[in-house]
Amino acid sequence: DQQVKQNSPSLSVQEGRISILNCDYTNSMFDYFLWYKKYPAEGPTFLISISSIKDKNEDGRFTVFLNKSAKHLSLHIVPSQPGDSAVYFCAARYSGYALNFGKGTSLLVTP
Amino acid sequence: KAGVTQTPRYLIKTRGQQVTLSCSPISGHRSVSWYQQTPGQGLQFLFEYFSETQRNKGNFPGRFSGRQFSNSRSEMNVSTLELGDSALYLCASSLALTNTEAFFGQGTRLTVV
Repeated sequence: DQQVKQNSPSLSVQEGRISILNCDYTNSMFDYFLWYKKYPAEGPTFLISISSIKDKNEDGRFTVFLNKSAKHLSLHIVPSQPGDSAVYFCAARYSGYALNFGKGTSLLVTP
Repeated sequence: KAGVTQTPRYLIKTRGQQVTLSCSPISGHRSVSWYQQTPGQGLQFLFEYFSETQRNKGNFPGRFSGRQFSNSRSEMNVSTLELGDSALYLCASSLALTNTEAFFGQGTRLTVV
């Protein structure tokens, strides 16, 4: 039972534009959400996180938005750069329990 | 400080054999989780250890087992290997079981032939 869903397997964006990656979840007990970035043959790298008590968290070019009523979060990358091309995983957890991951969205940023 | 270290990086085993993978967490981290990544399936949770005790377990058969030592290092064992066990096995460490970030190692690529 997939509790975290990333419905877009892939996304292509031009360099300099905004990339928006989406994630939906079903478990209302989740109270902490994270985004990871993964290059081939490497482990995922932590990117940004947000607690359920917030609706926005920003770190440089990366912003995560959380809409609890819709059980939806999104990652915005502005401006997108070719080095951002990777697979992005959305993850969620609640206290004492393991991270649940989505299946990932492959982002391609073209020059 | 050193990151999460997984050994070996690559492994080829034959069906029916068993394998042990190792993970050394970031210093001071007490929680270690294991994930299996296969194409199209994302990261599937195997189990999580904290203070040498298994705290959470995913939906995998009993052939998959693990343990954690007093220094927080963890091992994962898969017995009676099947072709479908071929995957990237990732270990992640975090400070605690509560809401903190998990940091991943580079993974062990297991190929079963």
